[in-house]
Amino acid sequence: GAVVSQHPSWVICKSGTSVKIECRSLDFQATTMFWYRQFPKQSLMLMATSNEGSKATYEQGVEKDKFLINHASLTLSTLTVTSAHPEDSSFYICSARPSGRDNEQFFGPGTRLTVL
Amino acid sequence: DAKTTQPPSMDCAEGRAANLPCNHSTISGNEYVYWYRQIHSQGPQYIIHGLKNNETNEMASLIITEDRKSSTLILPHATLRDTAVYYCIVRVVSGNTPLVFGKGTRLSVIA
Repeated sequence: GAVVSQHPSWVICKSGTSVKIECRSLDFQATTMFWYRQFPKQSLMLMATSNEGSKATYEQGVEKDKFLINHASLTLSTLTVTSAHPEDSSFYICSARPSGRDNEQFFGPGTRLTVL
Repeated sequence: DAKTTQPPSMDCAEGRAANLPCNHSTISGNEYVYWYRQIHSQGPQYIIHGLKNNETNEMASLIITEDRKSSTLILPHATLRDTAVYYCIVRVVSGNTPLVFGKGTRLSVIA
């Protein structure tokens, strides 16, 4: 149990285009989901926290108008990178917390974004 | 900012126990200690967590000092598949509080 999936697993896009990444909790409901990104040889950096049906809370330095997060259901959150540029190339990882189980947090396999 | 300190890297011989230390000298009374690991180009995998008692599961054991200022993750019989970056994280257990990752320890298991 406690599986989190991400789609796509990798994507290559042209500079200036937008890319949507989906994160799903497959066998549990998640009131809270998190988005991280990871640059090569670095640790995971928290981008934002989202609660189902509410606006996401972004970490300092993360542009909310560039990284649009939607958490419209208890099993799906999406991250849209708008007007992507090469510096947005990174490994994006989502994470989900099962509703009512505050001591648990499960991670997706990640999405590799390359912006040309 | 991460509230833990870990050695940047460690080696372990295959079949031996891997003992990964973590310092969290500023931990609060309501913060738990979590361990995750990340194999290259994958999402982090949960290993174990605890508050103050030692914990054991099928993957590892967690030893927390009595003053809770440090802990050790023990992989009893390391295999090559345990090669990964191991993250020690302290966190208050509440709905919105995220896991904040530090730099972790890169464990290399050597045949």
